[in-house]
Amino acid sequence: EAQVTQNPRYLITVTGKKLTVTCSQNMNHEYMSWYRQDPGLGLRQIYYSMNVEVTDKGDVPEGYKVSRKEKRNFPLILESPSPNQTSLYFCASSPRTSGRAYNEQFFGPGTRLTVL
Amino acid sequence: GQQLNQSPQSMFIQEGEDVSMNCTSSSIFNTWLWYKQDPGEGPVLLIALYKAGELTSNGRLTAQFGITRKDSFLNISASIPSDVGIYFCAGRMNTNAGKSTFGDGTTLTVKP
Repeated sequence: EAQVTQNPRYLITVTGKKLTVTCSQNMNHEYMSWYRQDPGLGLRQIYYSMNVEVTDKGDVPEGYKVSRKEKRNFPLILESPSPNQTSLYFCASSPRTSGRAYNEQFFGPGTRLTVL
Repeated sequence: GQQLNQSPQSMFIQEGEDVSMNCTSSSIFNTWLWYKQDPGEGPVLLIALYKAGELTSNGRLTAQFGITRKDSFLNISASIPSDVGIYFCAGRMNTNAGKSTFGDGTTLTVKP
């Protein structure tokens, strides 16, 4: 089944303890992206990747890192999480980086992160 | 960054009623997208719009790309209970491939 998977789905952690949220897609998609969703603020883009080893900042990259060493994986790293990073996180992918297929973003199920 | 203003923030309607929501931006977009998010899930693309003035339908949903390229509209006709969810608009610029800007969502509740 074609899908975007995220792990873990739920995580409660403490301030300063490094964590990684994994994202994997099995559709051979070129483009991947991370978003956070907060009440009243919609979805805000954190980082995106146009292809392997090509990543760029979205609108809210502070406090996050990403890497794209393989096409299928795009982990989100929080080196020193803080309470203001408590949020619902979504990973997404799309088949191309241009043209109409570019806009067909497939979203993962989300990861709910709480930082105490 | 760019901001999209989506309205209304929430809607409570009776089953069978029509729904209208819109999204406005201070900047021009080349592509407008509408997504729906069901409770506990990620957003799913409903409609994509690529040209100013374009009107596109997907079943009971109709969306329009505003002629100024700074706004877009989504209409749902004859709403049903499964229309419940959060509807997001999103804009993309050809000159900034990779970046997506989302509105803050319209939460729709449909009373049977």
